[in-house]
Amino acid sequence: AQTVTQSQPEMSVQEAETVTLSCTYDTSENNYYLFWYKQPPSRQMILVIRQEAYKQQNATENRFSVNFQKAAKSFSLKISDSQLGDTAMYFCAFMAGSGGYQKVTFGTGTKLQVIP
Amino acid sequence: KAGVTQTPRYLIKTRGQQVTLSCSPISGHRSVSWYQQTPGQGLQFLFEYFSETQRNKGNFPGRFSGRQFSNSRSEMNVSTLELGDSALYLCASSESPGQGALRGQTDTQYFGPGTRLTVL
Repeated sequence: AQTVTQSQPEMSVQEAETVTLSCTYDTSENNYYLFWYKQPPSRQMILVIRQEAYKQQNATENRFSVNFQKAAKSFSLKISDSQLGDTAMYFCAFMAGSGGYQKVTFGTGTKLQVIP
Repeated sequence: KAGVTQTPRYLIKTRGQQVTLSCSPISGHRSVSWYQQTPGQGLQFLFEYFSETQRNKGNFPGRFSGRQFSNSRSEMNVSTLELGDSALYLCASSESPGQGALRGQTDTQYFGPGTRLTVL
């Protein structure tokens, strides 16, 4: 079974600063996806960024980037130039890439507060 | 494309009743997954449907069931409601059936706004 661990229940960052959210996972799979989802106070879960395990290059999406360390099973999210709208719960998630079915395992989340 | 829609958005029921929640996936998406989100347990996988078949199921009692229709719309049913069933129920849809990351298919799940169920 896969597990996803987010060791930072809450974090805060000053507006315009950079913050890194940590995530580690455990799996015996070789092919898989990793995701960061954002859930603002409005509760709509939004995909932030996705990483395929077979890709060595770290994924980036505008101000969001990841540091994917496959051997260490680490998948951290870096948010640059933090904005007030980044205030949300952030969930790290794992999905096996084989087996013909989808089951996403989520971490417990990190509550990020961007301070003006 | 329109996003994932869920109805109703809010629901209040009493213990012992049953409830049906509905999810319409993004057009073209054939996989629908359901999750329960609570403050104590976080996000927990309920089940996943693809082509009207349940392909995977989480660790929930048999009171939780679902189905998928030929148009990929899905419903989730909870019978004999308990206080602990109070939660946000999230539905997510994805494009491909999860054939493997190496095939480069987009298995990303896109979530709906959820249905907030309160059991009194």
